[in-house]
Amino acid sequence: DAGITQSPRHKVTETGTPVTLRCHQTENHRYMYWYRQDPGHGLRLIHYSYGVKDTDKGEVSDGYSVSRSKTEDFLLTLESATSSQTSVYFCAISESPERGTDTQYFGPGTRLTVL
Amino acid sequence: AQSVTQLGSHVSVSEGALVLLRCNYSSSVPPYLFWYVQYPNQGLQLLLKYTTGATLVKGINGFEAEFKKSETSFHLTKPSAHMSDAAEYFCAVRRANTGGFKTIFGAGTRLFVKA
Repeated sequence: DAGITQSPRHKVTETGTPVTLRCHQTENHRYMYWYRQDPGHGLRLIHYSYGVKDTDKGEVSDGYSVSRSKTEDFLLTLESATSSQTSVYFCAISESPERGTDTQYFGPGTRLTVL
Repeated sequence: AQSVTQLGSHVSVSEGALVLLRCNYSSSVPPYLFWYVQYPNQGLQLLLKYTTGATLVKGINGFEAEFKKSETSFHLTKPSAHMSDAAEYFCAVRRANTGGFKTIFGAGTRLFVKA
């Protein structure tokens, strides 16, 4: 299994509070991704990173920010959580997606509930 | 624009029966195609992928999929279902040739296996 951990694994928070989710990898892969998974929608890309301090938006980035100060860590922050952000969040890593054959490896997920 | 359609959000089969999970894609250029499996409370795990070459691709756990360009399909099959195959399955597409990193996921199909 690829060395990807996510913390916390479960979190319940209240509307309006800030939340930070952490993804940590031991594979030294250049690319890291944050997805959210919702019933009927599959996985949707929130943000991704292609190197330290290099990040870009995905298709559902509103209300989220990210940071990557080290190769191994990718943080997802909800500045002011809303109930619509209740979801399961997955981190993924890959080496070189400019090669289409590149494979993404996924972490175990974080279940976030915003009350 | 790329998209992925998985026909049937739920599929139920008896143990020992054929498993057929349907996936159709749209892509303006030849795609790379993937199937992932997600067991309860876990992240996604790659089952198989089609990049180039042979259109029948074999993956882990006895699954295989066939790329049919004329039908824009990449259906997943397994000759004989096991109870352990009960999971959610995601088809995904990535643009080929021109590179690009974004992977588009289908909404998922949950497979139930009856004893």
